[in-house]
Amino acid sequence: EAGVAQSPRYKIIEKRQSVAFWCNPISGHATLYWYQQILGQGPKLLIQFQNNGVVDDSQLPKDRFSAERLKGVDSTLKIQPAKLEDSAVYLCASSSNSIRTPAAKNIQYFGAGTRLSVL
Amino acid sequence: TQLLEQSPQFLSIQEGENLTVYCNSSSVFSSLQWYRQEPGEGPVLLVTVVTGGEVKKLKRLTFQFGDARKDSSLHITAAQPGDTGLYLCAAKRNQFYFGTGTSLTVIP
Repeated sequence: EAGVAQSPRYKIIEKRQSVAFWCNPISGHATLYWYQQILGQGPKLLIQFQNNGVVDDSQLPKDRFSAERLKGVDSTLKIQPAKLEDSAVYLCASSSNSIRTPAAKNIQYFGAGTRLSVL
Repeated sequence: TQLLEQSPQFLSIQEGENLTVYCNSSSVFSSLQWYRQEPGEGPVLLVTVVTGGEVKKLKRLTFQFGDARKDSSLHITAAQPGDTGLYLCAAKRNQFYFGTGTSLTVIP
């Protein structure tokens, strides 16, 4: 079974530029998460999707960050314009929502992340 | 303020030594998870503890959930270089929250 795919792996941009990250979750996983992990800290949830709907985006800085999952499969996270403090690893994760295995919804599978450096 | 505080933040030990990592909160959780994250990779789930006082073992790793379900510990026996990584606890409220992390380095 293929894991969560993310691209690009690395991105270097200058402040005020725009950047987009892409995530393809595990096939069949209804729930998709985007996390921001600043160096030396634990991941912080930015947004959670259930299929193509937003479940939680309370910690997403909506003035500059946006995310979509139009067809309920892959997702993109965009930052426009980027700030220096956006330098971090952006992690995508997915989980199953199968009614046959309710506990599976709490098992998140993470991609390798995109490391963003804003200069 | 962090919902989940981990200690220590950094730990560097010799191969063969034992260690314990702590995850503390003032909140009660229905379950708590432990993840390990290696450099350049995403976190990987190690275990989920559900019942207060529960102890789970995964080879040389022992996980315990506090009786009051507010805290947890991870004990590693005879640490090996392959145990090196960032250890994260996580819990779910209305969303998933991760702890501050413990960076472990095991020196051969």
